[in-house]
Amino acid sequence: GNSVTQMEGPVTLSEEAFLTINCTYTATGYPSLFWYVQYPGEGLQLLLKATKADDKGSNKGFEATYRKETTSFHLEKGSVQVSDSAVYFCALSSGGYNKLIFGAGTRLAVHP
Amino acid sequence: DADVTQTPRNRITKTGKRIMLECSQTKGHDRMYWYRQDPGLGLRLIYYSFDVKDINKGEISDGYSVSRQAQAKFSLSLESAIPNQTALYFCATSGGQGTSTNEKLFFGSGTQLSVL
Repeated sequence: GNSVTQMEGPVTLSEEAFLTINCTYTATGYPSLFWYVQYPGEGLQLLLKATKADDKGSNKGFEATYRKETTSFHLEKGSVQVSDSAVYFCALSSGGYNKLIFGAGTRLAVHP
Repeated sequence: DADVTQTPRNRITKTGKRIMLECSQTKGHDRMYWYRQDPGLGLRLIYYSFDVKDINKGEISDGYSVSRQAQAKFSLSLESAIPNQTALYFCATSGGQGTSTNEKLFFGSGTQLSVL
């Protein structure tokens, strides 16, 4: 079946460091791919998405490229801030009708 | 005011009790979802509804039921709560149409449920 695998956290970085959070997926067909972010005490918010191969989603300095050949959608940011501390979820759409399958989430902690 | 509101925010209950979690939205969306979040497992879909006459089971619907009382309201019930239903529950909405697969989901702030 369809699934999403993310790197385990927590990821701990200093401010202004480079961030990569790995995400790979298994899916039939051509899913859409998403990154959602969950700040402490809040619900998830869409960070970025890509709907076809080679698309790059970007938002707030974060980027991810839909790589069909490696079935990956890694999240990157060139210079993280303390305010980026959150849990990040990779997800894919499955079977139509916008039902999402989520990865386990990766907690990011950024220190000054 | 929040677009997707969940009540209560926190609930502690005992094994065997019936409990209802409520969700209301002001976004005018037809599609509503219930997810549960467990540490290390991410979010898993319990039920979803694409309009007031449409209810569908997700991947973990056993032990749960739902009611779509109106376009804006979608309630989740645990008929007889058990400890492994202790989790963080999220309601979400989306404005997708037809078979669209890339619509943004809008989440409530969650309900933390503890079953003792």
